[in-house]
Amino acid sequence: QQQVKQSPQSLIVQKGGISIINCAYENTAFDYFPWYQQFPGKGPALLIAIRPDVSEKKEGRFTISFNKSAKQFSLHIMDSQPGDSATYFCAARGSSNTGKLIFGQGTTLQVKP
Amino acid sequence: DAGVIQSPRHEVTEMGQEVTLRCKPISGHNSLFWYRQTMMRGLELLIYFNNNVPIDDSGMPEDRFSAKMPNASFSTLKIQPSEPRDSAVYFCASSHGQGYGYTFGSGTRLTVV
Repeated sequence: QQQVKQSPQSLIVQKGGISIINCAYENTAFDYFPWYQQFPGKGPALLIAIRPDVSEKKEGRFTISFNKSAKQFSLHIMDSQPGDSATYFCAARGSSNTGKLIFGQGTTLQVKP
Repeated sequence: DAGVIQSPRHEVTEMGQEVTLRCKPISGHNSLFWYRQTMMRGLELLIYFNNNVPIDDSGMPEDRFSAKMPNASFSTLKIQPSEPRDSAVYFCASSHGQGYGYTFGSGTRLTVV
């Protein structure tokens, strides 16, 4: 119930293509869904986030699509660039009182030039 | 703003030794989280503090692990005695309020030989 399942584990995309990473959850009490980007040797950094009352959020080339009924959300990276090559984590906030985030397993994205 | 500061960046120690990891959260952030990252298990939440008080330590693997937050600007994660299976990257993160916009430190890569 507290898990967030992320897929795929790894992804290779050509430059200019669309990268899509999917996440699914069970706990309907989750109320905030951020995505984090992590480069080698660095800590994860907040990329974009969405609340369940919104079906889509776009920031530049990054878009979150949220399907509340299916309990799924996904990250779309349009016009993928080699600089986007990183590990991406979806997450869900378990409680508004404490801010505890549950993370997915991560997706390693490689964008080929 | 210097961000979340962790030290040391790298630690190599022998099995059985005590290891202390340190974290300075962002000034004004009132929540602090310790995560462990491994290839097998991804990002695991070990413990988190709210206003310097430990809220949930259910992720702490065993009694060999302990964490303290004596004041709003400092936290430690201690492993005593350390074992090879503790080898991982340990991240500290802080946030203001209820978990929006975690900021992660750069992590401590721990190797126990």
